[in-house]
Amino acid sequence: SQQGEEDPQALSIQEGENATMNCSYKTSINNLQWYRQNSGRGLVHLILIRSNEREKHSGRLRVTLDTSKKSSSLLITASRAADTASYFCATDADNDMRFGAGTRLTVKP
Amino acid sequence: EAGVAQSPRYKIIEKRQSVAFWCNPISGHATLYWYQQILGQGPKLLIQFQNNGVVDDSQLPKDRFSAERLKGVDSTLKIQPAKLEDSAVYLCASSFSRGANVLTFGAGSRLTVL
Repeated sequence: SQQGEEDPQALSIQEGENATMNCSYKTSINNLQWYRQNSGRGLVHLILIRSNEREKHSGRLRVTLDTSKKSSSLLITASRAADTASYFCATDADNDMRFGAGTRLTVKP
Repeated sequence: EAGVAQSPRYKIIEKRQSVAFWCNPISGHATLYWYQQILGQGPKLLIQFQNNGVVDDSQLPKDRFSAERLKGVDSTLKIQPAKLEDSAVYLCASSFSRGANVLTFGAGSRLTVL
């Protein structure tokens, strides 16, 4: 069964704007990861945040984790057309990686 | 380093036929995963191997799906007989070990069942 649920299902923004995607999950986790998938391709790892961390940065990416609310958010700043892709959160609980349904991000040039 | 290799990239079969997908993980990665991704959905874990042992196959439809990882390296996922609802992309991923590890995915094998 899926663990995480992303929100919104789809997001369309202009180049240069920020994009925020949210993920909610149901059980306790060891860590949470975000992956990106371009159309017709495999998933690519973006960032991992451990259960004892609250915020993490990587380039234009900022991830937050609130274990009390069982939720995470992914912020992409100064978006580019090349950021157009589907973004998935994946929860690691008991060493099983479970993915949500994803957010489809479209960045218009 | 070489990535996760999968083949074939595309396969079209008729229902009730059989199909097999092959995966070669990154060298040294002990953990191997097979995911099923139906169009518009997130990847669903089918089976997880640690070396050549099965760790989790709770979501594998065992009446028609089987998977093996002989010698703890390559893996094969088989579907027999295929149903229309098996049309999906089958993704293989590997990680160095279980727990707090990043998954590296292959490009996937797209199956169409007619």
